[in-house]
Amino acid sequence: DAGITQSPRHKVTETGTPVTLRCHQTENHRYMYWYRQDPGHGLRLIHYSYGVKDTDKGEVSDGYSVSRSKTEDFLLTLESATSSQTSVYFCAIREGAWSYEQYFGPGTRLTVT
Amino acid sequence: SQKIEQNSEALNIQEGKTATLTCNYTNYSPAYLQWYRQDPGRGPVFLLLIRENEKEKRKERLKVTFDTTLKQSLFHITASQPADSATYLCALGPQTGANNLFFGTGTRLTVIP
Repeated sequence: DAGITQSPRHKVTETGTPVTLRCHQTENHRYMYWYRQDPGHGLRLIHYSYGVKDTDKGEVSDGYSVSRSKTEDFLLTLESATSSQTSVYFCAIREGAWSYEQYFGPGTRLTVT
Repeated sequence: SQKIEQNSEALNIQEGKTATLTCNYTNYSPAYLQWYRQDPGRGPVFLLLIRENEKEKRKERLKVTFDTTLKQSLFHITASQPADSATYLCALGPQTGANNLFFGTGTRLTVIP
């Protein structure tokens, strides 16, 4: 998994509670991404980061926020979890400006009840 | 908005035969196209990238073609093996910015011994 870890790997939470997912990389890559994967939708980009404190929205950013205070960590926060946010969340990195392939973490399965 | 279609949700093929997976897209002009493999419960793994000015790319038993006129990519696995059984995802990307990829929903390939 290219030195990418995600925590927790599984989480069950209740509607309305805040949840933070963590992505950690060991290689100091500049670009980091958060995706969600749902049946019938494939992978969809939530937010991405192109450096410390530099983040931007993706295709499905409503209800999510991110932070990147250190190169190695990219946090995804669900401010108030809803059942529609039940999904598998993947973090990915990109090695450099001219390297277009992405390397994914193992995923976090989140269930909102 | 862009739309990406992968030929079928599932494809079964006999061991030793060539598997051909299709990725069609509309409303987008990608600078390149990528193929990923995803096994159950794991993150996608990068396989191949082909640029808009390339017609064909090969890597071992894998071959990818890219036809920007037809807006289509074909992904071939020759001499398929049961270990090739997985879901294969295509992804389109621009050449600028933070490389925000748009993924198809995937084709689940099963190679039957």
